[in-house]
Amino acid sequence: LAKTTQPISMDSYEGQEVNITCSHNNIATNDYITWYQQFPSQGPRFIIQGYKTKVTNEVASLFIPADRKSSTLSLPRVSLSDTAVYYCLVGDSGGYQKVTFGTGTKLQVIP
Amino acid sequence: NAGVTQTPKFQVLKTGQSMTLQCAQDMNHEYMSWYRQDPGMGLRLIHYSVGAGITDQGEVPNGYNVSRSTTEDFPLRLLSAAPSQTSVYFCASRTYGGTNEKLFFGSGTQLSVL
Repeated sequence: LAKTTQPISMDSYEGQEVNITCSHNNIATNDYITWYQQFPSQGPRFIIQGYKTKVTNEVASLFIPADRKSSTLSLPRVSLSDTAVYYCLVGDSGGYQKVTFGTGTKLQVIP
Repeated sequence: NAGVTQTPKFQVLKTGQSMTLQCAQDMNHEYMSWYRQDPGMGLRLIHYSVGAGITDQGEVPNGYNVSRSTTEDFPLRLLSAAPSQTSVYFCASRTYGGTNEKLFFGSGTQLSVL
């Protein structure tokens, strides 16, 4: 799997838009980019996945530039309940086996 | 739908004891895996399986055994528990070989080894 680099932590006030960027310089042609969210004392849960350009769902948006060497998870108008750790993973959606997580980005939303 | 079910939720062991952490999924997923998460750390892959009868090691396999006799179950065995194995353990599953694959995680087992 391609190695990823994310900020260790971020703070944001409630109601603001939060952008978390992940670097993955060695991304391969077949690799997809997937983001997970983990609340304390819970297992991670899938947020969004993309291959190129922009993907949007009811929770977040994912922006991927043309060179795909980075990606940005965008959370609109965060609330206190968005306080969590966010993980960026890069891998071949066709069946990669050793799915490894980095340390993620700890987002703290401040009232 | 139950998804991924882990038992027990909490367990305390003495050094040298053995135990099995249970994981079951009802989504007919081929791929299953075990992770451990230490305080303030990310998840580290212990073992994984891409189908019944097929298992392989992850990043931190020492001290743990696994087997996969059915598609639904993927137990994790600690043969002789050590304090260094105190951690939260997560089981996960997903489809294998398709597109838009995502991992589904259980709620975790908090293990303390004294």
